[in-house]
Amino acid sequence: DIQMTQSPSSLSASVGDRVTITCRAGQSIITYLNWYQQKPGKAPELLIYAASSLQSGVPSRFSGSGSGTDFTLTISSLQPEDSATYYCQQSYSTPRTFGQGTKLEIK
Amino acid sequence: QVQLVQSGAEVKKPGASVKVSCKTSGYSFSSYGISWVRQAPGEGLEWMGRISAFNGNANYAQKFQGRVTMPTDTSTSTAYMELRSLRSDDTAVYYCAREEGIDYAIDYWGQGTLVTVSS
Repeated sequence: DIQMTQSPSSLSASVGDRVTITCRAGQSIITYLNWYQQKPGKAPELLIYAASSLQSGVPSRFSGSGSGTDFTLTISSLQPEDSATYYCQQSYSTPRTFGQGTKLEIK
Repeated sequence: QVQLVQSGAEVKKPGASVKVSCKTSGYSFSSYGISWVRQAPGEGLEWMGRISAFNGNANYAQKFQGRVTMPTDTSTSTAYMELRSLRSDDTAVYYCAREEGIDYAIDYWGQGTLVTVSS
């Protein structure tokens, strides 16, 4: 199984801040890396697929980068509605493992 | 629009089985995969497995092998997840989700079904 490790596990930032979350895969997954946002009591939503492609309808302040084993989700200017838990997931092979999540709080 | 609507909450006793349904609409069912993901209370997302709605090929996480099946019914565009020999640590919200066919990202999710296992 490919292990996915996110950092940090939690962070607190202010509105307008630039926020970066990283995800590391246990082996190369090329660009088969997806990012999801989950708010309490809700199903996750796809933000970024294939490492850097923005899902339709997702605000352009979200962006993704990386390839191989190291990936990054960036929020360019944090908004109050971005308070959520963020998960990376590899879709290179089964089982399609998730990272442990990063809980983002707005100060 | 694409929708995945899951069956309602279940309460089961240890050792029992549960079958969750996922009725889809708004897209060609056979052209995509269906993944099942669960989330225990206060925990992260756990991928359980996926099935091709085109040919029925399924891949299950090793943890659930022998205890889970994920059949589909193309005539009703419905997917199912059956989990047997339930234990208390199977208490979780179970999500079905559509897996797109190029990058295998999960692009649409059901609303989730809470399964509670308690004696």
